[in-house]
Amino acid sequence: GNSVTQMEGPVTLSEEAFLTINCTYTATGYPSLFWYVQYPGEGLQLLLKATKADDKGSNKGFEATYRKETTSFHLEKGSVQVSDSAVYFCALTDLISNFGNEKLTFGTGTRLTIIP
Amino acid sequence: GAVVSQHPSRVICKSGTSVKIECRSLDFQATTMFWYRQFPKQSLMLMATSNEGSKATYEQGVEKDKFLINHASLTLSTLTVTSAHPEDSSFYICSARRQLEPQHFGDGTRLSIL
Repeated sequence: GNSVTQMEGPVTLSEEAFLTINCTYTATGYPSLFWYVQYPGEGLQLLLKATKADDKGSNKGFEATYRKETTSFHLEKGSVQVSDSAVYFCALTDLISNFGNEKLTFGTGTRLTIIP
Repeated sequence: GAVVSQHPSRVICKSGTSVKIECRSLDFQATTMFWYRQFPKQSLMLMATSNEGSKATYEQGVEKDKFLINHASLTLSTLTVTSAHPEDSSFYICSARRQLEPQHFGDGTRLSIL
């Protein structure tokens, strides 16, 4: 079956530090990959996505590249801000193995705290 | 962008009561809606997938009679937690999608059963 393994947190960084949150996946078909962000007390917001190998998703200074050879989709940001403090979820959806159902498989989430 | 509204955002009720949570897609017609449950500091667990006009598809281990899902229109799905007990306390999140687009999530409902 499909699975997502995500770097365990919590992660605490100083403002303007470089961020990497690792994510690897297992899928039987051709998954699309996502990063979602959850701010305290809120639902999830799509941060970025990539639908095929070598695609790079980017948004708000965050980037992730779909690496099929390493089955990875690591999230990076060059200079984090206090407002980036949130929980980040890596996820995949795989139409083929789920018989056309675009249900998401999530990683366990990584709590990120940025200190001034 | 697409907006999904979930209501209520928080509910506290006594054990044995039933609670209904609404999920609405505000500016698009959702072909599919999903219901998730999130335990503290854990990931989201898919409970069921709901298509308008048809019965929901529940994930393994989710009680159909406990968590009733109704998807009456392309913009509204409801989750009813029947005869709720303290172990049902959790954060419930819905999402909605239209074809070929990612899921858009509501802000969640924090359910506390006393």
